[in-house]
Amino acid sequence: AQSVTQLDSQVPVFEEAPVELRCNYSSSVSVYLFWYVQYPNQGLQLLLKYLSGSTLVESINGFEAEFNKSQTSFHLRKPSVHISDTAEYFCAVSETGGFKTIFGAGTRLFVKA
Amino acid sequence: DGGITQSPKYLFRKEGQNVTLSCEQNLNHDAMYWYRQDPGQGLRLIYYSQIVNDFQKGDIAEGYSVSREKKESFPLTVTSAQKNPTAFYLCASSIGGGDTQYFGPGTRLTVL
Repeated sequence: AQSVTQLDSQVPVFEEAPVELRCNYSSSVSVYLFWYVQYPNQGLQLLLKYLSGSTLVESINGFEAEFNKSQTSFHLRKPSVHISDTAEYFCAVSETGGFKTIFGAGTRLFVKA
Repeated sequence: DGGITQSPKYLFRKEGQNVTLSCEQNLNHDAMYWYRQDPGQGLRLIYYSQIVNDFQKGDIAEGYSVSREKKESFPLTVTSAQKNPTAFYLCASSIGGGDTQYFGPGTRLTVL
């Protein structure tokens, strides 16, 4: 069985500062890894995903995440955040080709002016 | 535009009543899912369906039921057996297993 741990429930940061949202997972089989973002009272949207190949994956709005197999981590980073990045971020893992995706408890990113 | 719709956005129910949440997708996806979201707990899988006329229980299926009679529709019924149904319910779909899931806007259910 897989599990996902998001190490921070809330991360406050000033605008234009860098941020890292941490995610660790456990699994006995190969996995796909995802980061989703949720704005208030909305559904989740995919931010980025790792399926295979290059361990560094990027989103169109400046976020990136690195798959580290030895440390079983998939931390999300952004070098300079904007007010509009304020949202809840979920790390998720699914068994390769499997239908059950396990979500972390979420990290609430709050960007202050 | 392709996407997933959920209705209603807000739903109020008296204790002891069953209620059905709607989920429709026009993405031509085979797989559909229902999640429950509670503050600080992330998303928990209620039921999922890999294909029409087939569905499996997720981690918290007790007190819920689903049907998948059409590819585009996956309604969720919250029965009176669900002891704590007040939550935010999210429906999602994907092309297949392990693929990106596309989420609807959610239904917030409150039991009075």
